[in-house]
Formats: sequence, structure tokens, C-alpha cells
Amino acid sequence: DGGITQSPKYLFRKEGQNVTLSCEQNLNHDAMYWYRQDPGQGLRLIYYSQIVNDFQKGDIAEGYSVSREKKESFPLTVTSAQKNPTAFYLCASSSQGRVNEQFFGPGTRLTVL
Amino acid sequence: KNEVEQSPQNLTAQEGEFITINCSYSVGISALHWLQQHPGGGIVSLFMLSSGKKKHGRLIATINIQEKHSSLHITASHPRDSAVYICAVNSGAQKLVFGQGTRLTINP
Repeated sequence: DGGITQSPKYLFRKEGQNVTLSCEQNLNHDAMYWYRQDPGQGLRLIYYSQIVNDFQKGDIAEGYSVSREKKESFPLTVTSAQKNPTAFYLCASSSQGRVNEQFFGPGTRLTVL
Repeated sequence: KNEVEQSPQNLTAQEGEFITINCSYSVGISALHWLQQHPGGGIVSLFMLSSGKKKHGRLIATINIQEKHSSLHITASHPRDSAVYICAVNSGAQKLVFGQGTRLTINP
């Protein structure tokens, strides 16, 4: 089945540690996105990539980094510079130029202790 | 003020009731989306609208471009409709802008 996988579903880290969240898609989509969701707030765009080896900052990129070495994969690293990393993180993908047709992954809930 | 505002933030109703969730936006848009987020966190797309009205089963979505307003209606609501409903707009840039979501609980 085609889709987007994010692993793990729940992730716990100690304060000060970097952590990398996985996002893989087998939909042959060029574009991939990372969102952060906090209680009572809408999804906010962290980074997006429209093609392999290229990515752009979203609205809240500070404290995060990404890479796009393969079309299928768009990992997000939450660095120790992110002041409030505990949140629900969603990955999405779409065909290039079709931002209106995003498919979402199941999400990873990150808790920093 | 957020570019996309939803109301109400929380809604609890009895099974069978007619449900309305509202979305207002302040920017020009090329499309508006209604999304459903299940308790586990996964998000699915319900509708994409640029004008008029769409219907899928018990769900109806409408949009008024002049008033910058959209509504999502659920007829004959059921406990399985309990979820967070999210409105999102595409203002022409390569991204979506999301509302804060409406948490709907349908009691049996």
C-alpha cells in the first residue's frame, strides 16, 4: 500500500539531546513537509522540500534541521536549540506543485523530559 | 489575529444532532480544505473547495468567497464522528495555513 510512515509514534528524550524523527513515503511524491502541532493551535510549517537536495524554511524553522538526500525520505532533527520541543509532529507529502493535495503521515509525539 | 479562525473550539452533542463547524479567513485564497484528525493523530482530507458546496455521505461543506467563510455540516451525527476538524487555506503560496481545529465529541 502507498502511504507515509512516521516512526516512532511516541518518542521520549532528555532535555539537551538532539533527536531525529523519521518520515518515509512511497507515493513517488516530490514535495514533503514537516508540521508541528501544539494544543489549541493550528499546524505550523517547519520545513518543506519540493525536490531532492533542496528544502526551504517554513514559519518556525528555528531549532530544527532537515535533509532530503532521497526522494522517499525527509528526516527532521529537533536540536537542543529548540526551546520548547515537546509537541506532535506531522509529516506530509504531495506531488510537485500540488500543495493542495497533501497526504499526511500518522505523526510522532515527542516528549522532552 | 490568525489568518484562519475556527468556531467553536470545542463542541459536544448528542448522537443524531446536526453539527455545524465554522471557518473564517482573512486572506485571498485559491482553495479551502476541511480535514479530520482522529484521536490517534492521523489526518485525512475531507473536502477541498474553491466555491459553492460539496457533499460526501453525511458531510456537507460550503464556502462563501465574498464573505471569506466556510462551514462544515454533519447530518445525523454519530459517535464515530468524534474527532478534531481542521480548516486550512491555500493563499497561493506553496503552503497551507491551518485553523486551530474544532474538537467534536458526539455522545451516544
